[in-house]
Amino acid sequence: AQTVTQSQPEMSVQEAETVTLSCTYDTSESDYYLFWYKQPPSRQMILVIRQEAYKQQNATENRFSVNFQKAAKSFSLKISDSQLGDAAMYFCAYRSAHYGGATNKLIFGTGTLLAVQP
Amino acid sequence: DTGVSQNPRHKITKRGQNVTFRCDPISEHNRLYWYRQTLGQGPEFLTYFQNEAQLEKSRLLSDRFSAERPKGSFSTLEIQRTEQGDSAMYLCASIRGGSLGETQYFGPGTRLLVL
Repeated sequence: AQTVTQSQPEMSVQEAETVTLSCTYDTSESDYYLFWYKQPPSRQMILVIRQEAYKQQNATENRFSVNFQKAAKSFSLKISDSQLGDAAMYFCAYRSAHYGGATNKLIFGTGTLLAVQP
Repeated sequence: DTGVSQNPRHKITKRGQNVTFRCDPISEHNRLYWYRQTLGQGPEFLTYFQNEAQLEKSRLLSDRFSAERPKGSFSTLEIQRTEQGDSAMYLCASIRGGSLGETQYFGPGTRLLVL
């Protein structure tokens, strides 16, 4: 079974600074997708960034980028130029690339609560 | 707003009562997921629908839980004889289908408190 581990329950960053959130995962599959989701307080979860395991190039979305190390099974999220609106719970998630039913489910880590200090 | 909607947003009930939650996915999305999120944890998969067919149920989904998706549109999740351990956020997500890389869009969730 696949597992996702986020070892940082809480992180803090100064506004305009850079922060990196860690995520490791365990799987025996070679094809899969990795995601970072953001869950602001009392608001719905939204996708921040996605990485396909077959792609060596790290995904980037504006101020958000990942460091995907497939051999190490590591998938960290870097937030540059942090803004107050980035304060939220961040979840790392895994999804198998094998087609069919529940193999499409997302497997989440326990989350990292990010605080942004003005 | 054409996103995923869930109702009610909050539900307080007494132990032993039945509750029902509703999820309206994005209209062209044929796949629908239910997750449960307890305090301090990430969401955990409960069940999955492709159109009206319930194709997978997690072991977390005890006999007291039932989910439906009539006509492949909205979905309901019912919990019978609620227990305090059922207190959690219940999240619904939908996906258009096709490519596995497509994004799951989440609703705002229904927060259940069982007294």
